[in-house]
Amino acid sequence: QSALTQPPSVSGSPGQSVTISCTGTSSDIGSYNRVSWYQQTPGTAPKLMIYEVSDRPSGVPDRFSGSKSGNTASLTISGLQAEDEADYYCSSHTISSTWVFGGGTKLTVL
Amino acid sequence: DVQVLESGGGLVQPGGSLRLSCAASGFTFSSYAMSWVRQAPGKGLEWVSTLSSSGGSTYYADSVQGRFSISRDISKNTLDLQMISLRAEDTAVYYCARGGRGGRYTFDHWGQGTLVTVSS
Repeated sequence: QSALTQPPSVSGSPGQSVTISCTGTSSDIGSYNRVSWYQQTPGTAPKLMIYEVSDRPSGVPDRFSGSKSGNTASLTISGLQAEDEADYYCSSHTISSTWVFGGGTKLTVL
Repeated sequence: DVQVLESGGGLVQPGGSLRLSCAASGFTFSSYAMSWVRQAPGKGLEWVSTLSSSGGSTYYADSVQGRFSISRDISKNTLDLQMISLRAEDTAVYYCARGGRGGRYTFDHWGQGTLVTVSS
């Protein structure tokens, strides 16, 4: 149950786009389209932003998009806003019927 | 509105036990998988355990296998996590999370968490 690999930090200016990568293995990301992305601000619970690789729950702006290629998933945030500054975590279901999270990426809006 | 509310956290000595509870409302509890996810202070998220929507299957992270037990009471709409043989590394905020609608593999609603501190 090794954690998925995310960059520790990314940054961008308002209006720009940023992409956060999430690398797993053929036993998790590579096996299913069961990748989700969560946003967490300090002191609050995680919030679901993307599920099943690229689907958005109602209420999540379409500035947030997800994709996957092989064992790597990506979250792209376009038109960055100050309110997007947060920690972002990816997760994937695995072939062992367990779950694995990434280590998290801190997004800084410059 | 969908709500999940954790309780039962606190300070416990190494080797001790604790039972967490999650009260669910605003949805048909028996139709959803439910999970526990924890977050150690200043660290990332770690999946702990999942109970299937049928209630017939349970899944655990290697780090808690044999020490933690997940269960539910449909009559009370509550999800429990029984924790024994607690270790310092179990110190974390424990979140209760609902599985996705229609069996989707995600965690779509989270509680605010309850803090468990394992220390002498």
